Amino acid sequence: DQQVKQNSPSLSVQEGRISILNCDYTNSMFDYFLWYKKYPAEGPTFLISISSIKDKNEDGRFTVFLNKSAKHLSLHIVPSQPGDSAVYFCAASVQGAQKLVFGQGTRLTINP
Amino acid sequence: GAVVSQHPSRVICKSGTSVKIECRSLDFQATTMFWYRQFPKQSLMLMATSNEGSKATYEQGVEKDKFLINHASLTLSTLTVTSAHPEDSSFYICSAPTAPVSLYGYTFGSGTRLTVV
Repeated sequence: DQQVKQNSPSLSVQEGRISILNCDYTNSMFDYFLWYKKYPAEGPTFLISISSIKDKNEDGRFTVFLNKSAKHLSLHIVPSQPGDSAVYFCAASVQGAQKLVFGQGTRLTINP
Repeated sequence: GAVVSQHPSRVICKSGTSVKIECRSLDFQATTMFWYRQFPKQSLMLMATSNEGSKATYEQGVEKDKFLINHASLTLSTLTVTSAHPEDSSFYICSAPTAPVSLYGYTFGSGTRLTVV
C-alpha cells in the first residue's frame, strides 16, 4: 500500500522557468510533510517542510503548498536552475511518530 | 548544520559474509536512527528504527536476525548485514531527526552501496 505517491517519475523544465513537483497521500493521519533532494549515490538532503496547520511554506526559491482536502502537496521551484537537477522525494509523517513514509521520487532535469 | 557520517560508502563482499555499516551523528545526539534501503529507481523503504539503549524496531517483512542493528551510544548506530546474499545488494541509508524537526527535518547519511557477489 503506497501511502505517499509521486505519479510523475520524471520532469523536464527549461532553466529559469517554474518546476512543479506533485505528491499525493492517502493516510489522513499524516500531519507533517517534507521534501528532499537526492543526488545519485548520496543521501537525501532536506529542502523544506510543512505542517498540516499551514497551506503554504516558502523558503527562497522553494515553496511547498498543501491541500489537505485533496490530500495533495506540491513543491514549486522558481526560477529553476541547472543545479536543481536531482531526484526529489516527498515524505510524510505523523508528528511524534517520527517515521517518514517516502514517495517514489521524481527525477527533475533542468535544461539550459 | 547537523551531519550524519555514514561509512563505508561502498562495499563489495562475498556471499555468506557479514558487513557492518556505521552511522555517526556529528555535533548532535541521535537518540533515534532510522535505517532505509533503496532499490534502483525505487523509493526509500524504512527497514528499522534504532533507539539508544533499547532494542530496534523492525518494519514488517524485515528479518531482524539478518539485519542486526545496534545503537550503543547517542552518536553511533550500526547495521550489520549477516550472511549476505546477492539479493541484499542495495543502497542503505541512515537518518536521524534533527531538532527542531520542523526546521531541519531529518538528516541523512551519505549512504552505503552494498554489492554482494
